[in-house]
Amino acid sequence: GAVVSQHPSRVICKSGTSVKIECRSLDFQATTMFWYRQFPKQSLMLMATSNEGSKATYEQGVEKDKFLINHASLTLSTLTVTSAHPEDSSFYICSAKGTGSRYNEQFFGPGTRLTVL
Amino acid sequence: SQQGEEDPQALSIQEGENATMNCSYKTSINNLQWYRQNSGRGLVHLILIRSNEREKHSGRLRVTLDTSKKSSSLLITASRAADTASYFCATGAGGYNKLIFGAGTRLAVHP
Repeated sequence: GAVVSQHPSRVICKSGTSVKIECRSLDFQATTMFWYRQFPKQSLMLMATSNEGSKATYEQGVEKDKFLINHASLTLSTLTVTSAHPEDSSFYICSAKGTGSRYNEQFFGPGTRLTVL
Repeated sequence: SQQGEEDPQALSIQEGENATMNCSYKTSINNLQWYRQNSGRGLVHLILIRSNEREKHSGRLRVTLDTSKKSSSLLITASRAADTASYFCATGAGGYNKLIFGAGTRLAVHP
């Protein structure tokens, strides 16, 4: 149980285009999801907290107009990187907050590797 | 956001040896969690220790937490080559239990 998927797993795009990444909780409902970014050989940096039916809460330094987050259902959150540039190339990972006895855990998706040319 | 520090940054050992990784953090926490990440992959949850707990075991893993020193350690006993990965501590805090990750330790276990 507690499986999270991400799609796509890998995407290459041209500079200036927008890319949408989906995060789905497959076997449980996730009121809260999180989006992280990870540069090579570095740790995960929390970008935003996404709550179903409300606006996402962004961490300091993360541009909300550039990284659009939509959490329209209890099983799906999307991250759209708008007008992507090479410096946005990174590994984007989502997680879904657990429920019940696993409330304090997060279940991570496999990640999406974005390369902007 | 604040990040904890982990040491060592990299650790290279032989199969069968024990591996110890340390994590320090700066703020009050609800809990502290350890995750494992194989190269280029997602994270796997290893163990969660609550702020009122001092030690926890899971299989070959032993985690300690010292809230007075704001530090934690992860011990992997009898390591195997398959344990080769990056290990991250993450502190959970706030109503949503947001996770703030440490810098990570890259563990290499040689056969």
